Amino acid sequence: GENVEQHPSTLSVQEGDSAVIKCTYSDSASNYFPWYKQELGKGPQLIIDIRSNVGEKKDQRIAVTLNKTAKHFSLHITETQPEDSAVYFCAAKSTYATPLVFGKGTRLSVIA
Amino acid sequence: NAGVTQTPKFRVLKTGQSMTLLCAQDMNHEYMYWYRQDPGMGLRLIHYSVGEGTTAKGEVPDGYNVSRLKKQNFLLGLESAAPSQTSVYFCASSPSGFTRTDTQYFGPGTRLTVL
Repeated sequence: GENVEQHPSTLSVQEGDSAVIKCTYSDSASNYFPWYKQELGKGPQLIIDIRSNVGEKKDQRIAVTLNKTAKHFSLHITETQPEDSAVYFCAAKSTYATPLVFGKGTRLSVIA
Repeated sequence: NAGVTQTPKFRVLKTGQSMTLLCAQDMNHEYMYWYRQDPGMGLRLIHYSVGEGTTAKGEVPDGYNVSRLKKQNFLLGLESAAPSQTSVYFCASSPSGFTRTDTQYFGPGTRLTVL
């Protein structure tokens, strides 16, 4: 089955700097790659996703890139703000009938 | 719309006690999921359902049972709670897997402590 590795497990950046979180997956059939943000005491919330027919997707300060050949995808947050501090999870899935497989999460701290 | 709701928000059990966690969604989603979240372990799938009356095992199903008698509800049961089941439990739902809409929507979580 699918296996998703996520790095780093913790990340501290200065406010205004960029943050990058990387994930690798094992199943070449995976075709959907979402990123979730989890704030303290809340459930994860989708912030951006990408499908395997595109290489990059942007939404304001957030972007995701996908390299199908290398089987890795990354989350890029520019101009970080204190409210970006949270735990971020990547995930992957293949066929429509299979659940998401999550990475173990990255705790991002943005220092003002 | 309330989205995905979970009952209760907090619970403390003694070893050997039983309980049921309730998940409800008002988005008419076909798929529902139960995850547990432990420090450093991410989100691990316990059981899931692809439709009313169906259930399937996930990554860590032992010690748990589920039922999906109604499309909008997904119940997670612990028959004989153990300290290893101390965790935060999240329910999620998603539209039919046969559309190109794979987004999973999560509930706020239930924090369970087993003494």
